[in-house]
Amino acid sequence: QQQVKQSPQSLIVQKGGIPIINCAYENTAFDYFPWYQQFPGKGPALLIAIRPDVSEKKEGRFTISFNKSAKQFSLHIMDSQPGDSATYFCAASSDGLSNTGNQFYFGTGTSLTVIP
Amino acid sequence: EAGVAQSPRYKIIEKRQSVAFWCNPISGHATLYWYQQILGQGPKLLIQFQNNGVVDDSQLPKDRFSAERLKGVDSTLKIQPAKLEDSAVYLCASSSGGAYPRYTFGSGTRLTVV
Repeated sequence: QQQVKQSPQSLIVQKGGIPIINCAYENTAFDYFPWYQQFPGKGPALLIAIRPDVSEKKEGRFTISFNKSAKQFSLHIMDSQPGDSATYFCAASSDGLSNTGNQFYFGTGTSLTVIP
Repeated sequence: EAGVAQSPRYKIIEKRQSVAFWCNPISGHATLYWYQQILGQGPKLLIQFQNNGVVDDSQLPKDRFSAERLKGVDSTLKIQPAKLEDSAVYLCASSSGGAYPRYTFGSGTRLTVV
């Protein structure tokens, strides 16, 4: 059973566009929602993360929008650049504020291509 | 800060052979994870360690996969015997604690079983 559903599977935008990637979850125990960026041959790298106590978080050109009632969250990439071309994964975890950390449930990934 | 180190980067073996992967986490990270990432999919947790104890191994195929983390630092993941469907990238990750835990992945080991 897929704990986190991600869409679209692939996305092509022009340079300067704003790609949006969406994720949905069912488990209300999830309280930590990171986004990861993965380049070919590399492990996923943390981009930005959010907790349910806020509806939006911005870091540079990356913004997470979070809708707790709809159990959905999305990644927006402002002024997208060809260097942003990568696979993006959303994830969810119920690690709370513990120091042990719980497993992350990953979405299936979105392959983003930014055309110069 | 040094990242999560994994070796080897690539491995090709025949089915029914055995293989082992090694991971050295970020210094001070008590939690270590092994994930399996099949091509075109998101990572799937195989096993999670807290120091040298197993926290979650519910998705580890224990008839063929084993993992250990001696002394709570380095970890090894072994597959014996390998099957064709084990072809994947095996990712190691380690985690800090806190409100926004830093969950860092290594570059992975790409396993091809032929």
